[in-house]
Amino acid sequence: QITLKESGPTVIKPTQTLTLTCTFSGFSLSTSGVGVAWLRQPPGKALEWLSLIYWDDDKLYSPSLKSRLTITKGTSKDQVVLTMTNMDPVDTATYYCAHRFDDLIFDHWGQGTLVTVSS
Amino acid sequence: DIVLTQSPATLSLSPGERATLSCRASQSIGTYLAWYQHKPGQAPRLLVYDATKRAPGLPARFSGSGSGTDFTLTISSLQPEDFAVYYCQQRSSWTTFGQGTKLEIK
Repeated sequence: QITLKESGPTVIKPTQTLTLTCTFSGFSLSTSGVGVAWLRQPPGKALEWLSLIYWDDDKLYSPSLKSRLTITKGTSKDQVVLTMTNMDPVDTATYYCAHRFDDLIFDHWGQGTLVTVSS
Repeated sequence: DIVLTQSPATLSLSPGERATLSCRASQSIGTYLAWYQHKPGQAPRLLVYDATKRAPGLPARFSGSGSGTDFTLTISSLQPEDFAVYYCQQRSSWTTFGQGTKLEIK
């Protein structure tokens, strides 16, 4: 059974760097073809894909946010970490991590974590 | 970016009725379209990918159709657990999502 869970701060100040951790079980990020993605959904707006890391450490980033994002495998083999720099109130959103099913299709998601950017 | 427009924004139906949800792309995306179901406080769930392929374990009452720019998710006979928000997603050019259709009980 695949599960994913997001963790990180619930409130962050403008200009700070956000660090989110996705802890997963039921699969290995060392297995060929596997990937873990980050997505977000601002209140009342559409879902937005942010980044994806593959089993071989290859990485993809949303072109519009690439300069602010870094995705890495965690120090624990069952974790993926996303950092986003220079946070702004428009980055207030529920952030999700998800298991890659194929290409940019995601078949298992975490429940999400709401991050509010406010001074 | 490819924009996905979902309609209607809200669909009010009764259990047992047929639901038809629409997703229109701003340019042709072939069949690179997926559908997700999202209930409050839960993780989104993959329903359909590549326009017509059901995710493993998906009940047969869910079906997807379409190609190019116009796509449809059909739920043949609504069950109480089907009332949720539904999103479409394209992966023809990077990936983007529609704004969602809320399927509510009438």
